[in-house]
Amino acid sequence: DAGVIQSPRHEVTEMGQEVTLRCKPISGHDYLFWYRQTMMRGLELLIYFNNNVPIDDSGMPEDRFSAKMPNASFSTLKIQPSEPRDSAVYFCASSFRSTENYEQFFGPGTRLTVL
Amino acid sequence: GQQVMQIPQYQHVQEGEDFTTYCNSSTTLSNIQWYKQRPGGHPVFLIQLVKSGEVKKQKRLTFQFGEAKKNSSLHITATQTTDVGTYFCAGSRSTLGRLYFGRGTQLTVWP
Repeated sequence: DAGVIQSPRHEVTEMGQEVTLRCKPISGHDYLFWYRQTMMRGLELLIYFNNNVPIDDSGMPEDRFSAKMPNASFSTLKIQPSEPRDSAVYFCASSFRSTENYEQFFGPGTRLTVL
Repeated sequence: GQQVMQIPQYQHVQEGEDFTTYCNSSTTLSNIQWYKQRPGGHPVFLIQLVKSGEVKKQKRLTFQFGEAKKNSSLHITATQTTDVGTYFCAGSRSTLGRLYFGRGTQLTVWP
């Protein structure tokens, strides 16, 4: 299994531009999570999906952020317009929630720099 | 606000010394997980604890879940340079609920 796949791995953009981050979860996993990691705030959950349905988006900072999961094998996190304070590493993670195991598998992350 | 507190934030040890990181929650947790993130890498799952008072071992690593299911610890015996990284605890308040990650403890091991 290739694990969770994220693209791009690095993104440098200018303030005001739209940014789209992509994630392919592990096949068969029914939960997908988007996290943001910064030195100041640590690892923050932005949103998570169960069977492609958003369950909790309370961590989404503001309306500039949106996430979609059109099918079980693909999700996007969009920032429009981007701001310098959005600079962070964005991780996607997936899991298959049985009654005994809640392990999350993280992707390699996308390092976003907004100038 | 911060749901899970983790201390210390940083720990520097000489190779061969022991290391412990602590995790505390203000509310009872359903389960707690521990992850390790190497510098420049992504969090990798280490273990999950579910039962009150549970203790699990992985070679030199010992994980504990408190009796009240509000705290947990990770202890590494005789650290090695390969132990370098940031260790995160992550708690959930319900079986299928979201995880609340601690801020992590960054471990540096001097050879």
